[in-house]
Amino acid sequence: RKEVEQDPGPFNVPEGATVAFNCTYSNSASQSFFWYRQDCRKEPKLLMSVYSSGNEDGRFTAQLNRASQYISLLIRDSKLSDSATYLCVVNGPLRTNAGKSTFGDGTTLTVKP
Amino acid sequence: NAGVTQTPKFQVLKTGQSMTLQCAQDMNHNSMYWYRQDPGMGLRLIYYSASEGTTDKGEVPNGYNVSRLNKREFSLRLESAAPSQTSVYFCASSEVTGTDTQYFGPGTRLTVL
Repeated sequence: RKEVEQDPGPFNVPEGATVAFNCTYSNSASQSFFWYRQDCRKEPKLLMSVYSSGNEDGRFTAQLNRASQYISLLIRDSKLSDSATYLCVVNGPLRTNAGKSTFGDGTTLTVKP
Repeated sequence: NAGVTQTPKFQVLKTGQSMTLQCAQDMNHNSMYWYRQDPGMGLRLIYYSASEGTTDKGEVPNGYNVSRLNKREFSLRLESAAPSQTSVYFCASSEVTGTDTQYFGPGTRLTVL
């Protein structure tokens, strides 16, 4: 089993749709969680950090469920510019893993007119 | 403020050749990382440096060496390139290891024939 697993996708949705991505992680001691966005052939860029209380940034909402060991990303009112690959990133515990990041394989979203 | 820079952007090598990928950051970050990304996959950690003067292996270190030259620079060396090392290489930096946002360079696209 991979340490971090994401919905395989791809997701093809019309403009204005709501879409949700899930990501599960295997190390219950993982300490921090992120969603990154990666455009085709470009470097990953931070979209948002994920907190236990959940956090929202405009049309984007991220949730963390430590008990079930998954994080989610919800995108409302999808725009054409949201088309990208979304990477789930989990940082391991500092004590045993030096806080190293493990990346999921990514979920590709295409928003169509 | 250039962020993270990488050179070269593209490189073609023959099997057995050696080369060094250069990375520099101007954000005064303590931690730096080298990842590789193969088609359709997430990033895998090759080596990282939690602070100047220290380096540690990541998930896929075989066939690579690194040098943390100073706080700003972290280089990745392929001593004897193999076709399996054909990939996109990303350098990243963060304030500290484990909890912070990572900032990525634009990547080096390496092909080994």
